[in-house]
Amino acid sequence: DAMVIQNPRYQVTQFGKPVTLSCSQTLNHNVMYWYQQKSSQAPKLLFHYYDKDFNNEADTPDNFQSRRPNTSFCFLDIRSPGLGDAAMYLCATSRRKETQYFGPGTRLLVL
Amino acid sequence: AQTVTQSQPEMSVQEAETVTLSCTYDTSESDYYLFWYKQPPSRQMILVIRQEAYKQQNATENRFSVNFQKAAKSFSLKISDSQLGDAAMYFCAYRSMNTGANSKLTFGKGITLSVRP
Repeated sequence: DAMVIQNPRYQVTQFGKPVTLSCSQTLNHNVMYWYQQKSSQAPKLLFHYYDKDFNNEADTPDNFQSRRPNTSFCFLDIRSPGLGDAAMYLCATSRRKETQYFGPGTRLLVL
Repeated sequence: AQTVTQSQPEMSVQEAETVTLSCTYDTSESDYYLFWYKQPPSRQMILVIRQEAYKQQNATENRFSVNFQKAAKSFSLKISDSQLGDAAMYFCAYRSMNTGANSKLTFGKGITLSVRP
């Protein structure tokens, strides 16, 4: 089945230790998104790629970076995680201007 | 800028009954999409239903239907014959259809639906 896959599902890191979250898709969608979702809140868009074009949200901290080496994969890098970065990170994909489909998320814990 | 408002943080429904979740939005655009997403306790966000603003007919998907009132900027979700598996957080979301706009979703704050057996 075509799907959006996120690895790992749970990630524990130490304060200040860089961490990378992974997203892959078999839908062949050209847009990939990264959202941060804190408990009982709506997802907050961090950035998205339209093909290779990177689009950062104005209020996304510099601590968050992303890479998209090919159509299928997209990575979220958190350079120096703080306690406030503990959250669920959701990856989503879509064709341009079409419905977004979400992955299962990676829950990040910062110790 | 567009906004989406879900004013009820929680609702409860008896199994097999019908429940309606409310959503209002604000926009100056005429062409857009509206969505309801469901996020069960396992946390994967699942698309429930989608409505194109240019369509007058309300979207339906099995037990899920919407009441789309464009002039009133209202987009409610009706769940018929509620099942235990419907218990989840439900998000209403808006997306512009305008050329040049990115595909950004604007979410409401969500509503937690519980289903009583």
